[in-house]
Amino acid sequence: AQSVTQLGSHVSVSEGALVLLRCNYSSSVPPYLFWYVQYPNQGLQLLLKYTSAATLVKGINGFEAEFKKSETSFHLTKPSAHMSDAAEYFCAVINTGNQFYFGTGTSLTVIP
Amino acid sequence: GAVVSQHPSRVICKSGTSVKIECRSLDFQATTMFWYRQFPKQSLMLMATSNEGSKATYEQGVEKDKFLINHASLTLSTLTVTSAHPEDSSFYICSATLFTPNYGYTFGSGTRLTVV
Repeated sequence: AQSVTQLGSHVSVSEGALVLLRCNYSSSVPPYLFWYVQYPNQGLQLLLKYTSAATLVKGINGFEAEFKKSETSFHLTKPSAHMSDAAEYFCAVINTGNQFYFGTGTSLTVIP
Repeated sequence: GAVVSQHPSRVICKSGTSVKIECRSLDFQATTMFWYRQFPKQSLMLMATSNEGSKATYEQGVEKDKFLINHASLTLSTLTVTSAHPEDSSFYICSATLFTPNYGYTFGSGTRLTVV
């Protein structure tokens, strides 16, 4: 069975600082991993996905994530936080039936 | 690209009434769609898998008689919350899969249900 764990339900960074959101996965097979962003009262927007190609995945809005099999991690990073990055971020894994299993989410606050 | 339209975006209903939420794939055919529920400040939880032309598959703990799912065509799945109660108030999101080389998955914009 696949699952993901997001460490830290709340992360605060200063504007311009590095953003690091942590996600660890558990999977008995090579996983497909995703990061989504959700703004208040809105749906999910795909930031990036890992589908067993390059281990360093670049997404939208300057975000990227690195798949590290040895650490079973897929942490999301952005070199310089912007005020508009404040949102809820979800890491997710998909099973062979195309069903998503989401982490508990990390709320990102950007301090001016 | 693959677009999933969900309607309505917000709905308020009285206790005991039923509410129908629609999920449409606009530019592709989706034999399978998925319904998720998100309680405030919580993550999304899979409720059920909707299969075109057959019965939906529900996750453990989800009442199939309360959350009726119909996937009558390749572009439309509906979720009906029957005899709604305040505890059913939640954010409901659907998703559909487009099997492309890039393995695309698209989510609807969600429906905020408030039962008063």
